[in-house]
Amino acid sequence: GAGVSQTPSNKVTEKGKYVELRCDPISGHTALYWYRQSLGQGPEFLIYFQGTGAADDSGLPNDRFFAVRPEGSVSTLKIQRTERGDSAVYLCASSLFREETQYFGPGTRLLVL
Amino acid sequence: QKEVEQDPGPLSVPEGAIVSLNCTYSNSAFQYFMWYRQYSRKGPELLMYTYSSGNKEDGRFTAQVDKSSKYISLFIRDSQPSDSATYLCAMGNNFNKFYFGSGTKLNVKP
Repeated sequence: GAGVSQTPSNKVTEKGKYVELRCDPISGHTALYWYRQSLGQGPEFLIYFQGTGAADDSGLPNDRFFAVRPEGSVSTLKIQRTERGDSAVYLCASSLFREETQYFGPGTRLLVL
Repeated sequence: QKEVEQDPGPLSVPEGAIVSLNCTYSNSAFQYFMWYRQYSRKGPELLMYTYSSGNKEDGRFTAQVDKSSKYISLFIRDSQPSDSATYLCAMGNNFNKFYFGSGTKLNVKP
């Protein structure tokens, strides 16, 4: 079946703008994760959803970052007032249940000019 | 100090060599240990998962966890050019939140 998909694959924006990044998890997966991967680094945890609720948002760097998953499937990561330091690959992963293998999407490459 | 330390490489080996990749960590509460492979411009792909200490083998891959030393390893036997990728270790004390190493770039030369 289809894997995790993320759109857009690339996003270029200007400093101060608002962006939304979308994640479509594998159908039926209840757990969804967002990570951020800077160049030459490993993924850094941002937030974890179990169903519709954010079970752990301790990795969100500040209040400019927000994520939703209103129907327990698709999730959107929202970044307000983007800064150049937000430039990174934003990865989404999903798993069938909480303690199961996480399957990663290809990521959205965000560049803030 | 980072939670997880991993030598970034790059590591270059001839085809057929045995590859050893390693990570150290500082949090003794970590119980879940994973190795991911990441090809350029792709998301990470899970290779091996180990719970607590011990060894686990899957085909050409062997994962080892030494909790007393806070040290984990991944061995790749009979390495192939298709193994050329970045290898990421990841670990945590629950499945909510994993801490990743920075990745080791491996190049297997034909």
